Amino acid sequence: AQSVTQLGSHVSVSEGALVLLRCNYSSSVPPYLFWYVQYPNQGLQLLLKYTSAATLVKGINGFEAEFKKSETSFHLTKPSAHMSDAAEYFCAVSVINDMRFGAGTRLTVKP
Amino acid sequence: KAGVTQTPRYLIKTRGQQVTLSCSPISGHRSVSWYQQTPGQGLQFLFEYFSETQRNKGNFPGRFSGRQFSNSRSEMNVSTLELGDSALYLCASSLDASGSYEQYFGPGTRLTVT
Repeated sequence: AQSVTQLGSHVSVSEGALVLLRCNYSSSVPPYLFWYVQYPNQGLQLLLKYTSAATLVKGINGFEAEFKKSETSFHLTKPSAHMSDAAEYFCAVSVINDMRFGAGTRLTVKP
Repeated sequence: KAGVTQTPRYLIKTRGQQVTLSCSPISGHRSVSWYQQTPGQGLQFLFEYFSETQRNKGNFPGRFSGRQFSNSRSEMNVSTLELGDSALYLCASSLDASGSYEQYFGPGTRLTVT
């Protein structure tokens, strides 16, 4: 079965700094990949998704992710962090009707 | 278009009781998935329904069950509640179950078992 590993359960950056959240996946077939964000006491909101159309995927709120098959990675980046980006981020891999989530990375943004 | 709605938002139950949670998907979505989220275990997949059929099931005991109605609304039931069932239960809907369609999540039902 497919799986996702998110490296780093907590990431802290300064406001205005680069955000890099790491995600590696495992799948025996070409996967669909997603990044979701969860704010406190809310459900998950889709940031972006990869469905094989383009390796560099742009999402909402200035986030983007690059699919690298050779590295089985789908890291999430944002050039300049904003205080409102503080949240928990989940990477997910989907095959057919089975979506698996990573453990999540909590992003803290320092002023 | 209205989003995914879940009722109730908060629930307190005692051990041994049973509980039913409800989820109304986005109009037109036929796939509904349920997840349990806890600080220790993260997001764990419970089951997925598509057109009233359970297509996939996670590794949870039989006390956890669900169903989907003809209008795609879904319910999940937990019988004989245990303290460890305290969690945020999330429902997500999708256009279909092909995997390429993103899931849209509801705000969740926070269940506390005392």
